[in-house]
Amino acid sequence: SYELTQPPSVSVSAGQTASITCSGDKLGDKYACWYQQKPGQSPVLVMYQDSKRPSGIPERFSGSNSGNTATLTISGTQAMDEADYYCQAWDSSTVVFGGGTKLTVL
Amino acid sequence: QVQLVESGGGVVQPGRSLRLSCAASGFTFSSYAMVWVRQAPGKGLEWVSLISYDGGNKHYADSVKGRFTISRDNSKNTLFLQMNSLRVEDTAAYYCARSTPNFDSWGQGTLVAVSS
Repeated sequence: SYELTQPPSVSVSAGQTASITCSGDKLGDKYACWYQQKPGQSPVLVMYQDSKRPSGIPERFSGSNSGNTATLTISGTQAMDEADYYCQAWDSSTVVFGGGTKLTVL
Repeated sequence: QVQLVESGGGVVQPGRSLRLSCAASGFTFSSYAMVWVRQAPGKGLEWVSLISYDGGNKHYADSVKGRFTISRDNSKNTLFLQMNSLRVEDTAAYYCARSTPNFDSWGQGTLVAVSS
């Protein structure tokens, strides 16, 4: 079965750039999307089709996907961005989530 | 605005059944595929099942195949998940979400605890 791999944790200083990766076999041939989940809340879509931001998502969020790796980048990271982030892709008619990355803003 | 409200969770013994519901409003429910996603306590997101806009196509994660059944009633704007032969490892918060095919709207989740 298809798998997506994320680092368990990423730390970034406030105001700096955070990059969260998601790896999977030929992931670049698929669309990747990203969800943000804060404690006690439901997930929120923050990036879709690799690099498109849903309405209401700040411009500091960007995405890319090439080869075997999709990346979610947060520029000028703010304290409010501290959350768990999950990548997701489709493998045929099934849905695959990455294991999640806890982003800590120092 | 899009609203998804799950219900039906609770505490149940292993081997028993439970039926979850997800009431949708604020959009044309019959035009969208829907999914169930679960999250065990302290763990990540796990896709459970998908149903097409008209209910004609259904897909399941291997972990629930043969035990769970997804369905929908487009006349009542409601999504269902029938969970049979529940196991301790099915303990989780269960979310319904709209598929566009990204999951752009999520409910607040309903908790299912399987315990003897």
